[in-house]
Amino acid sequence: DQQVKQNSPSLSVQEGRISILNCDYTNSMFDYFLWYKKYPAEGPTFLISISSIKDKNEDGRFTVFLNKSAKHLSLHIVPSQPGDSAVYFCAARPPRSGGSNYKLTFGKGTLLTVNP
Amino acid sequence: GAGVSQSPSNKVTEKGKDVELRCDPISGHTALYWYRQSLGQGLEFLIYFQGNSAPDKSGLPSDRFSAERTGGSVSTLTIQRTQQEDSAVYLCASSLAGTRNYGYTFGSGTRLTVV
Repeated sequence: DQQVKQNSPSLSVQEGRISILNCDYTNSMFDYFLWYKKYPAEGPTFLISISSIKDKNEDGRFTVFLNKSAKHLSLHIVPSQPGDSAVYFCAARPPRSGGSNYKLTFGKGTLLTVNP
Repeated sequence: GAGVSQSPSNKVTEKGKDVELRCDPISGHTALYWYRQSLGQGLEFLIYFQGNSAPDKSGLPSDRFSAERTGGSVSTLTIQRTQQEDSAVYLCASSLAGTRNYGYTFGSGTRLTVV
């Protein structure tokens, strides 16, 4: 049972436009969400996160939105740059009280291509 | 070291052979994780080490998989009698205990191919 879903395997946008990457989850107990970015032949790197008590977190060109009622989050990149081309993974963490709060559950990733 | 170091970066092995994958975490990081990414899949949790506590091995897919962490630093993931379905990128990550809100630092991974 896939608890974190990224239904779009790929996304292509023009440089300067907005990129919107989507993620859905099924486990309402998740209390923290993270986005990772992965270049080929490199490990994933942490990009931005959001607590379940918030609905928006912004860091420069990157903004993550969380809709708890819909169990949906999205990552917005504005403006998109060619260097943003990578695989983006959505991940979710259970609450600290759960005992295994260190485990991240990842989606399958979305390949973003930003065209010059 | 400056980052999480994994070796080898690539490994091709024959079905039935044993392999060892090594992870050298960031100095001072007490938590160490192994994940793997099979083709077309997300990252799958394998095992977690935290200090001197008993590791969480709940993600290991079979008893052919084992891992150890010596001296609270370097970790080795061993796969015995490899099968073709073991082919994947094996990722190691480390973190400071208590930094749950900032994610882990991953290594570049070991791409394992079982032929």
